[in-house]
Amino acid sequence: DGGITQSPKYLFRKEGQNVTLSCEQNLNHDAMYWYRQDPGQGLRLIYYSQIVNDFQKGDIAEGYSVSREKKESFPLTVTSAQKNPTAFYLCASSIGWGLMNTEAFFGQGTRLTVV
Amino acid sequence: KNEVEQSPQNLTAQEGEFITINCSYSVGISALHWLQQHPGGGIVSLFMLSSGKKKHGRLIATINIQEKHSSLHITASHPRDSAVYICAAPYSGGGADGLTFGKGTHLIIQP
Repeated sequence: DGGITQSPKYLFRKEGQNVTLSCEQNLNHDAMYWYRQDPGQGLRLIYYSQIVNDFQKGDIAEGYSVSREKKESFPLTVTSAQKNPTAFYLCASSIGWGLMNTEAFFGQGTRLTVV
Repeated sequence: KNEVEQSPQNLTAQEGEFITINCSYSVGISALHWLQQHPGGGIVSLFMLSSGKKKHGRLIATINIQEKHSSLHITASHPRDSAVYICAAPYSGGGADGLTFGKGTHLIIQP
């Protein structure tokens, strides 16, 4: 079955450590996105990628980094520079760039807790 | 950036009731997304609609582009419909195309 796989589902890290969240899709989608969700708030865009080897900052990119070396993969690294890393992280993809007229597909999310 | 407001924030209803969730947005759009977030956190896309009405099973989504308003209806609600329902409106600008998400409506259907 095609879909988006995020791993792990739960992740615990000590403060000051970098941590990488995995996102893999087998939908052959060009565009991929990373969102952050905090309690009582809507999802906010961290980074997005329109095509392999290209990515752009979203609204809250500070303290995060990404790579897009393969079409199927879009890992997100939460660095020690991110002041409030504890959150729920969602990866999404779409067949074409932009979500003006394109359906988005989401993963199951990773809940990151920094202690 | 599009501002997206959802109402109500929380809704508890009895099984079988007709449910309505509302979404308003500030900037004219070409299509609006309705999403469902399960208790485990995963999100499923329910609808993407640009005009009129769409129906999928017991779910109905309507949109009025002129009034910048959309509604999600659930007929004959069931406890398995309990989830967070999120509407999202696209925006374009500042070099980014993306979605602005509402804060979600937390729906609980009691047996």
